Amino acid sequence: EADIYQTPRYLVIGTGKKITLECSQTMGHDKMYWYQQDPGMELHLIHYSYGVNSTEKGDLSSESTVSRIRTEHFPLTLESARPSHTSQYLCASSVGPNEKLFFGSGTQLSVL
Amino acid sequence: DQQVKQNSPSLSVQEGRISILNCDYTNSMFDYFLWYKKYPAEGPTFLISISSIKDKNEDGRFTVFLNKSAKHLSLHIVPSQPGDSAVYFCAASPNYGGATNKLIFGTGTLLAVQP
Repeated sequence: EADIYQTPRYLVIGTGKKITLECSQTMGHDKMYWYQQDPGMELHLIHYSYGVNSTEKGDLSSESTVSRIRTEHFPLTLESARPSHTSQYLCASSVGPNEKLFFGSGTQLSVL
Repeated sequence: DQQVKQNSPSLSVQEGRISILNCDYTNSMFDYFLWYKKYPAEGPTFLISISSIKDKNEDGRFTVFLNKSAKHLSLHIVPSQPGDSAVYFCAASPNYGGATNKLIFGTGTLLAVQP
């Protein structure tokens, strides 16, 4: 059973607000990822980290930022939320060369 | 340009019958393939995987077949159960000389198993 946690599960906020989506894992995985997914679409990688103090942008351009100060924690921040940021955000971690990912339950973000 | 394609957005089958979900890919560097299952408002959960050195992998009711020459893989679920109703994502990982690489996902197929 994978132990990766995301909070909040659901978030409805107004335009212009700053938000942070939390992600923590207790498996000691070095690699962590943030994906964005809309209904009927593929999962798009927006950020990833291969270890502490290492962060990279993914394939899909995103206005969000991430940090990796501790192995277990990989928060995502939006400085000024907009309706276009409405989506499901999925955090994942992995270990090993074959990139089998363990996902959290996701955060469904709605920006009004 | 989508490298992993799931051309059937949805599939409906009767309980007890076989479900076959298909996935095509374009990148010959992909050497590891995975299937994930996702319920609404939940994160994907890993289902089954296959390495490019194999053509079949089986785990209980789930079997994945890989046809490298056709760049095609399929997931078979036998027998299908109502609890299998979910979105199924195909994903692939490229091998670029041993470097750590990221998964590329298809758009998913919504499976509905009718009681």
